[in-house]
Amino acid sequence: EVQLVETGGGLIRPGGSLRLSCAVSGFNVSSNYMTWVRQAPGKGLEWVSVFYVGGSTYYADSVKGRFTISKDNSKNILYLHMNSLRAEDTAVYYCARVEWDAFDFWGQGTMVSVSS
Amino acid sequence: EIVMTQSPATLSVSPGERATLSCRASQSVSSNLAWYQQKPGQAPRLLIYETSTRATGIPARFSGSGSGTEFTLTISSLQSEDVAVYYCQQYNNWPPWTFGQGTKVEIK
Repeated sequence: EVQLVETGGGLIRPGGSLRLSCAVSGFNVSSNYMTWVRQAPGKGLEWVSVFYVGGSTYYADSVKGRFTISKDNSKNILYLHMNSLRAEDTAVYYCARVEWDAFDFWGQGTMVSVSS
Repeated sequence: EIVMTQSPATLSVSPGERATLSCRASQSVSSNLAWYQQKPGQAPRLLIYETSTRATGIPARFSGSGSGTEFTLTISSLQSEDVAVYYCQQYNNWPPWTFGQGTKVEIK
């Protein structure tokens, strides 16, 4: 059974840092593209970042230079390292698997609140 | 960046009736379009990819059509469990992947 479980969210002050984790079971992150998507309270879905199998990474303009996506293939975990957090980064963060270029399996999400 | 626009914002449909949701792209995305369902308090779920292919386990009452810039998601006979927000997403030109703003489907 495929499962993705995000952890690491919480309340953080503006300018702070946080690392989100996405623990995967049922498939290998090493052989799949993986992505992060976020959803601000009461808003729609916003793509954040993707990690390609070959090692290439891409970011939304809104987080470029502040967020870093990475993987630990031995632990089967996807990460999102978030620095210089802003109030507008407040959202539920979902990890998902990329298949046929769409996002076929999603985690339940972890809430990040940026506030002083 | 390709902008996705969904209409209507809210759709009220009687149980058993047809629901038709629209999605428009600011430029052609070929057939590289997906639909997601998000129920309250839950993560999104992939319904359809490549415009019209249902994901695993998705009931046959959900169907997708269109190409280029105009797409439609149809729920042939609305059930109470279909109450949700539905998002379209293009993956023809990425990054970034872009989503529509969503259509909320409710029971009339």
